[in-house]
Amino acid sequence: QQPVQSPQAVILREGEDAVINCSSSKALYSVHWYRQKHGEAPVFLMILLKGGEQKGHEKISASFNEKKQQSSLYLTASQLSYSGTYFCGTGENTDKLIFGTGTRLQVFP
Amino acid sequence: GAVVSQHPSWVICKSGTSVKIECRSLDFQATTMFWYRQFPKQSLMLMATSNEGSKATYEQGVEKDKFLINHASLTLSTLTVTSAHPEDSSFYICSAEAGVETQYFGPGTRLLVL
Repeated sequence: QQPVQSPQAVILREGEDAVINCSSSKALYSVHWYRQKHGEAPVFLMILLKGGEQKGHEKISASFNEKKQQSSLYLTASQLSYSGTYFCGTGENTDKLIFGTGTRLQVFP
Repeated sequence: GAVVSQHPSWVICKSGTSVKIECRSLDFQATTMFWYRQFPKQSLMLMATSNEGSKATYEQGVEKDKFLINHASLTLSTLTVTSAHPEDSSFYICSAEAGVETQYFGPGTRLLVL
């Protein structure tokens, strides 16, 4: 089953923060986050492995709560370049990923 | 590093013809590659897992006789859409596994079947 992301869409002004959530009905081994711009392939942002770790990448960070089978992506002080659709990809200790429903983010000046 | 290319970027074909899409890992070797399909404003749907030297593993509901996958080398996987029909029109994206559970995506191939 496909992980569910919330919200479906977010509109921000430059400098504002956002949180994107990813929730799975299955036990997870890993969570991957990607950003996809319109008409382009997804770009890898980060991976979180089982263990409840939190990772950061410039002003983008994420957490993974394996007990709740959830992950959250935190975007702080958003920039115009952050616009795009964000997908979580969940791994169940196999090679393959199942991608979430997606969250569209639009940042305006 | 970890660059994946796809060819062609765009293909328009007539209904009933077959189309081959190539996915190459340019600066690394990939034992495992994945093929996804994405319809407009939807998420990526995994079609199959391609393993070098062995048969591909298809997801439920994906016809293996229609979507032929060949992973001939550690840097090349191909997807052939046989007897394509308009409902096969989509954005096809491959990814290659580089390192622990990290996938790098190709730029995608837009297929339009008339």
